[in-house]
Amino acid sequence: SQQGEEDPQALSIQEGENATMNCSYKTSINNLQWYRQNSGRGLVHLILIRSNEREKHSGRLRVTLDTSKKSSSLLITASRAADTASYFCATRGSTGGGNKLTFGTGTQLKVEL
Amino acid sequence: IAGITQAPTSQILAAGRRMTLRCTQDMRHNAMYWYRQDLGLGLRLIHYSNTAGTTGKGEVPDGYSVSRANTDDFPLTLASAVPSQTSVYFCASSLKGQGANTGELFFGEGSRLTVL
Repeated sequence: SQQGEEDPQALSIQEGENATMNCSYKTSINNLQWYRQNSGRGLVHLILIRSNEREKHSGRLRVTLDTSKKSSSLLITASRAADTASYFCATRGSTGGGNKLTFGTGTQLKVEL
Repeated sequence: IAGITQAPTSQILAAGRRMTLRCTQDMRHNAMYWYRQDLGLGLRLIHYSNTAGTTGKGEVPDGYSVSRANTDDFPLTLASAVPSQTSVYFCASSLKGQGANTGELFFGEGSRLTVL
């Protein structure tokens, strides 16, 4: 079963606009990670946020984590056509057998010129 | 270039045939993983290995087997392929295993398998 669920499933924006993707999860986590996947390629790690962190930045990426709501958001500022890809959140469980990295179904982002 | 190498990149296979997907990493990572990616279902963990000599079952292990004879290699075998195993398979690695505070995963480029 999926731990993380991304929203929206697909997002189309113009270059220069900001893109926001959300991830909700079900059980307590150790950390939450965001990955990017270009069409036909493997996943690439973008950013990791731990359960005791609320916000993290990396270049044009901003990730927030709300453990009380079991949700996270990924913001890409000033988007570029090259940001077109699928974005996945992945959660690391915090207890025993749940301590695995589980991926959501992803958000397909299209940035148009 | 350091990273994960998967082979083959693409394969068409008749149902009932045996198939091994190869995965090699040169980062000396302890843990390795096999995921399958299907449209609408995201990535699902098939098997994993926290360290050489050990393996574990993921979310969808049936019909698949793995071995971890050394740190670098983690082959995935389909003993008797069925059409439902048509998918894109990704191998990944991480510095630490799933029992620890595992950080990021590094992925290969995937193996696209079609079972007819």
